[in-house]
Order: sequence, then C-alpha cells, then structure tokens
Amino acid sequence: AQTVTQSQPEMSVQEAETVTLSCTYDTSESDYYLFWYKQPPSRQMILVIRQEAYKQQNATENRFSVNFQKAAKSFSLKISDSQLGDAAMYFCAYGTLNAGNMLTFGGGTRLMVKP
Amino acid sequence: KAGVTQTPRYLIKTRGQQVTLSCSPISGHRSVSWYQQTPGQGLQFLFEYFSETQRNKGNFPGRFSGRQFSNSRSEMNVSTLELGDSALYLCASSPVGSSHQGYGYTFGSGTRLTVV
Repeated sequence: AQTVTQSQPEMSVQEAETVTLSCTYDTSESDYYLFWYKQPPSRQMILVIRQEAYKQQNATENRFSVNFQKAAKSFSLKISDSQLGDAAMYFCAYGTLNAGNMLTFGGGTRLMVKP
Repeated sequence: KAGVTQTPRYLIKTRGQQVTLSCSPISGHRSVSWYQQTPGQGLQFLFEYFSETQRNKGNFPGRFSGRQFSNSRSEMNVSTLELGDSALYLCASSPVGSSHQGYGYTFGSGTRLTVV
C-alpha cells in the first residue's frame, strides 16, 4: 500500500522569508501524481500545486515550487516570500491512475507565519 | 463557476442515530469522493462515486455508505453512529477522462459531525 509521510508536524517562518515543507512517499508504481493541498482555518482544502511523476521538470505556481526527486521518493514544497495568508495546514498527497481518483494523504504540516 | 457545496456545515447527533450528508459537485465534474478527517487519523478515503457507481471504497465499516444521483450529486450515510464517527467529512469532485488525469480534487468546506 502506498504511504505518504510528512515528518514535520509544525513549521514556522518569518514573513517574506522562504520555507520548505518535506514529504516522502512509498510506492511501487512508476506513473503517479503528487499534490500539495492547503487547508486554512476555513477548512476548505485548496490545491496548491501538482506534479506528474513522468515529468522531470519541477512544477511551479507563483511563489510555490516543488523539488521532486523521483528516485528518492521525495516531494518537498518551497514557499517563497511567505505571507501571513500562507498560514495553514499543508497536506502532501499521492494518486495513481490505477486507483481512480483516490488520493493518499500525509499527516499534514502546520505552517505558522510570523509578522 | 460554483464550487463544491456540502450541506449541512455542522451537525450534532446522538449515538445510535443515523445521518445523511449531501454534496453537490462542480458542474461537469462526474466523480465525487468522500474523506473523513480526524485529528488522530488524518484524512482517510471513504469512497468514490462515478456515474452513480461506487468505483473505490476505503477501509470503513458497512455503516458508512453512499450513493450518487444522475446529476452527480452525492450523499453519504452513516448508520448507528458511534462517538468515534465525530469528524470533518469532506467531499471532493473531479472531472473524469484521459484529458483530466492527475487533475486532483476540488474540495468542499466539509460537514463537521459531532456525535454525543
């Protein structure tokens, strides 16, 4: 079974600084997708960024970028120029075509942003 | 474009009762998935429905069931509620098809269920 591990339960960053959230996963599949979701206190999960495993290029979305290391099964999220609105729970998730739309989520990292 | 709508937002039920939660997906999204979120277990997959058929099921007891209607709206039902069923129940919708592989989900804001 696939597992997703986020080893940092909590992280903090100074406003305008850069922070990296870690995620590792375990799979025997060769084709899969990885996601980072953000869950603010409003509870709604928001997709931050996605990465297709067959793409070597790391995905970027504005201030958010990933470092995808397929051989190491690592998928970290870098947030640049952190803003107060970035404070939230961040979840790493894994999915494959074989599992339909089912995603396996990590335990989450709570990010605090200090003004 | 309207988002994923879940009703109700909050619910308090007594042990032994049953509950039905509702989810309306984004227009055009034909796959609806349900997740249970608790502080102890995190996000756990309940089931996925596509074209009114359950396509995937997580490791939950038979007290948890769901269905999908022809308009893609979905309901999940929990019978004989237990204290441990207290959780945030999240619904997520996704388009289906080869052009949407790896799309991920759009989530609703969830239903907070408290069992007393």
